Amino acid sequence: GESVGLHLPTLSVQEGDNSIINCAYSNSASDYFIWYKQESGKGPQFIIDIRSNMDKRQGQRVTVLLNKTVKHLSLQIAATQPGDSAVYFCAVSSGSARQLTFGSGTQLTVLP
Amino acid sequence: SQTIHQWPATLVQPVGSPLSLECTVEGTSNPNLYWYRQAAGRGLQLLFYSVGIGQISSEVPQNLSASRPQDRQFILSSKKLLLSDSGFYLCAWSVHPGLDEKLFFGSGTQLSVL
Repeated sequence: GESVGLHLPTLSVQEGDNSIINCAYSNSASDYFIWYKQESGKGPQFIIDIRSNMDKRQGQRVTVLLNKTVKHLSLQIAATQPGDSAVYFCAVSSGSARQLTFGSGTQLTVLP
Repeated sequence: SQTIHQWPATLVQPVGSPLSLECTVEGTSNPNLYWYRQAAGRGLQLLFYSVGIGQISSEVPQNLSASRPQDRQFILSSKKLLLSDSGFYLCAWSVHPGLDEKLFFGSGTQLSVL
């Protein structure tokens, strides 16, 4: 089966700096990857996704990078703001939504 | 646009009492529906999913059950709660027939069993 791990359980960054959150997966057949943001006491919120036929995808202030060779993906947040403080976790799938495997999350704290 | 409603937001129940959590989706038809549990500091664990009315698949053996009485309604239940049932419960939906694996989550229910 799939296993998903995050490299750091916590990350602190200064406001205005860029943040990088990493995720590693085990199944080379995984073909769909999602990043979610979860604020305290709330449900996860979709941020950005990427399919395995792409290496990079950009959204508003966020970029996801996928390295299939080493089975690694990252979420980059530009000009991190206080509102970005939350838990971020990746989800990996090799088929349908019920086959999504979630990482345990990285707590991002933005320092003033 | 699609929205998902989940209630209650918090619930404190004694051991041995019944449970009923409800989730409804608006703005879409025939969605896939899911119940997840999230333990503190851990990833999401899929409990149940449903591809249609009355169709429920259980991913892990447990003290809980799920039902889908209507197309956009998903209910999580228990006859007798255990201490280990405490956690953060999330309802989610995805497009049917599942070409898009993206999940959209409700706001969650924090269940404390005392």
